[in-house]
Amino acid sequence: NAGVTQTPKFQVLKTGQSMTLQCAQDMNHEYMSWYRQDPGMGLRLIHYSVGAGITDQGEVPNGYNVSRSTTEDFPLRLLSAAPSQTSVYFCASSYSTGGGAIRETQYFGPGTRLLVL
Amino acid sequence: KNQVEQSPQSLIILEGKNCTLQCNYTVSPFSNLRWYKQDTGRGPVSLTIMTFSENTKSNGRYTATLDADTKQSSLHITASQLSDSASYICVVSEAGRRALTFGSGTRLQVQP
Repeated sequence: NAGVTQTPKFQVLKTGQSMTLQCAQDMNHEYMSWYRQDPGMGLRLIHYSVGAGITDQGEVPNGYNVSRSTTEDFPLRLLSAAPSQTSVYFCASSYSTGGGAIRETQYFGPGTRLLVL
Repeated sequence: KNQVEQSPQSLIILEGKNCTLQCNYTVSPFSNLRWYKQDTGRGPVSLTIMTFSENTKSNGRYTATLDADTKQSSLHITASQLSDSASYICVVSEAGRRALTFGSGTRLQVQP
């Protein structure tokens, strides 16, 4: 198993450009999520999905879109990049046991480092 | 607002020594608490997950404790190794919500 993979590893954008961060997992996990990690702060949830066709917003969703057409893939789209979106982005996945809480181990990808000029 | 506070922010210890990292949280209602290890430039890796009824859990040289009454947790590292140099993140899962609240982490440096 490759686990959770993310591409690209590093990206530089100009303000206003759009791009898609890719995330894929081969563990048949229902739950997938995107986080951003900024210096001195904990990871913050951007968007999450509990299965194909189902997505929801997290704590900091503005400026980002997601879709989940397959169990394996969960891409994150930046619509119009801004310097405030300079961050490290992590994708994570886990089994979903339901009940409204995250109970299972989350597996994180290696991250995408994004710099917006 | 639900919060997870960790202390110290950073710590330097000598190889072979023990250390304890602290986590206080206000997340309610509580479902479970996790500790992650994050090496520089990599994604977090799960060390332990504890529910309300568990007050100690071990993973090799890592032992986590949980006091759900005082909303405190600790991570004890025994006989530290150079490879333990990393950030350690405390994470709390809220019951009824598909979201995790992350602490900002403790950066541990183990020196020879």
